[in-house]
Amino acid sequence: KAGVTQTPRYLIKTRGQQVTLSCSPISGHRSVSWYQQTPGQGLQFLFEYFSETQRNKGNFPGRFSGRQFSNSRSEMNVSTLELGDSALYLCASSLVVGSSYNEQFFGPGTRLTVL
Amino acid sequence: EDQVTQSPEALRLQEGESSSLNCSYTVSGLRGLFWYRQDPGKGPEFLFTLYSAGEEKEKERLKATLTKKESFLHITAPKPEDSATYLCAVPPKAAGNKLTFGGGTRVLVKP
Repeated sequence: KAGVTQTPRYLIKTRGQQVTLSCSPISGHRSVSWYQQTPGQGLQFLFEYFSETQRNKGNFPGRFSGRQFSNSRSEMNVSTLELGDSALYLCASSLVVGSSYNEQFFGPGTRLTVL
Repeated sequence: EDQVTQSPEALRLQEGESSSLNCSYTVSGLRGLFWYRQDPGKGPEFLFTLYSAGEEKEKERLKATLTKKESFLHITAPKPEDSATYLCAVPPKAAGNKLTFGGGTRVLVKP
């Protein structure tokens, strides 16, 4: 079974630009979550999408947004990039069965550098 | 608010020198505790899920245990390929996948 894939793997942008990252979950997984990882703050939750609806949201400004498509693929967008947005952005998918909690499986990440 | 603290921040071991990593947590209702391994520049790799105090899981040289307040990841006779950052995380009490991660323990195993 193919794992979680993320594109692109590397991005370099300048301040003020916007960026869109893509994530394809494991086949059959309906929940997709996004995390930001930086050396100073560690892994921080951005948001989760399930059945094309945002189910949970972390403490990030409105410049960070996302969406999920009917095939469970997800995108996240960051507008008006700031230097502090430089980070590894990770996508994770999980199989949702009723109200049970299931493990999240992570993709390789997208390394975003903002100059 | 859920909190997860890992110690030590870094650990240098000689090959074959066993040790333990600690993950202490403060949550309103534990629905599980997860251990991940992360290599530099890569996404976290799932290792274990522990659901209740007293539970233990093993995988090769790794063994995870869980108490009511903390979890331990024991590395027995480590090899250089066990060098990585080990992360623990807890899910929220309510439905959803908002994992709260600890800061991780960077393990370096020298030959």
